Amino acid sequence: QSVLTQPPSASGTPGQRVTISCSGSSSNIGSNYVYWYQQLPGTAPKLLIFWNNQRPSGVPDRFSGSKSGTSASLAISGLRSEDEAEYYCATWADSLYGHVLFGGGTKLTVL
Amino acid sequence: EVQLVQSGAEAKKSGESLKISCKTSGYNFRHFWIGWVRQMPGKGLEWMGIFHPADSRSTYSPSFQGHVTFSADTSSSTAYLQWSSLTASDTAMYYCARIDCNGGDCSTLLSHWFDPWGQGTLVTVAS
Repeated sequence: QSVLTQPPSASGTPGQRVTISCSGSSSNIGSNYVYWYQQLPGTAPKLLIFWNNQRPSGVPDRFSGSKSGTSASLAISGLRSEDEAEYYCATWADSLYGHVLFGGGTKLTVL
Repeated sequence: EVQLVQSGAEAKKSGESLKISCKTSGYNFRHFWIGWVRQMPGKGLEWMGIFHPADSRSTYSPSFQGHVTFSADTSSSTAYLQWSSLTASDTAMYYCARIDCNGGDCSTLLSHWFDPWGQGTLVTVAS
């Protein structure tokens, strides 16, 4: 069981806005940056969001991240079929330097 | 272009040893941590640990401490993950990733992220 809690699944229709939550604690999300990774079927994960809400170049602005207290969210607006993937949140464990925490992952289905 | 290219799929038996590789290019290998992540069949990402090629500093997840070993060959810019004795529960996809940070305060690992990732190495262990 992951220390960071994500819903196992989410869904939406094309064009909709969906959000995926990631819940942690004061010793991880509450005190550190949150990162989001997208894993398309059969491929390696890819960085989607860094520093809570920053997008690497090449990531569409349909993807946005936010953080409040000990929780974070990933929002995808204008949902597209190619967004169907597994999404993982991640952060560093504050009490153990160099230790990374991943959420359990959320499978996004585009209906 | 920064690239991490991992070695091919492996089929082994319980008790055998294994070393898989992650060959990097496009950046100074000695300057960046490398992270290793396991993904068991149909499951999520599990952080295994991180390794610094310049001085071999490493941090292992408690779940993997003592069962795997990280290493690197700086002359070939290649990182390695190895097992001395595999078990069937080691069957999984294994990913390496460069640990990066730029454009802000990168003085601690807490500001770093995993990017890019290797394509993964599938390890299958038969009991």
